[in-house]
Amino acid sequence: AQRVTQPEKLLSVFKGAPVELKCNYSYSGSPELFWYVQYSRQRLQLLLRHISRESIKGFTADLNKGETSFHLKKPFAQEEDSAMYYCALKPGGYQKVTFGTGTKLQVIP
Amino acid sequence: GAGVSQSPSNKVTEKGKDVELRCDPISGHTALYWYRQSLGQGLEFLIYFQGNSAPDKSGLPSDRFSAERTGGSVSTLTIQRTQQEDSAVYLCASSQGRLLGTGELFFGEGSRLTVL
Repeated sequence: AQRVTQPEKLLSVFKGAPVELKCNYSYSGSPELFWYVQYSRQRLQLLLRHISRESIKGFTADLNKGETSFHLKKPFAQEEDSAMYYCALKPGGYQKVTFGTGTKLQVIP
Repeated sequence: GAGVSQSPSNKVTEKGKDVELRCDPISGHTALYWYRQSLGQGLEFLIYFQGNSAPDKSGLPSDRFSAERTGGSVSTLTIQRTQQEDSAVYLCASSQGRLLGTGELFFGEGSRLTVL
């Protein structure tokens, strides 16, 4: 069975500092990996997916199959980045998506 | 509708009463999920529907919880004999669920349940 681990429940950084939200996974096949974000009083929404190889709001995430990691990074944190971030894994076919427990990012002004 | 719709948005009930929470997924989405989000906690998976397949109920915390999905569309999550620890935000999400789909989940705004 697949598993997604986000080791940090809370991550506090100062504005302008680099951010790295960790995500490790276990799955025997080739999964799709996602980052979802939930801003205060907003619904949970997709931030980015590894397949797209895109940068959204300055965030990037690279899938490292050797380390089975999909860490979320941003070089300079902004106050508006404060939110709850979830890493998610989708196996192939019709299997369900599995979420990590989430990391609350707090950007200190 | 344009997105996933959940009702009620807020529900206050007394301990021991039954509650029903409704989810209207995006039209055409074959996959539907229910999650629970307790205060300060992450997402707790409850149940997953995919097309006409038998649902994955592995996340339901007790037999007081059940869910159904009628006609492959609207879903209802029922909690019987509610307890105070059931207080949480219940989130519904849907996705295309196709073999080659993007896999993106679209979430509703949630139903906040408070059990007094």
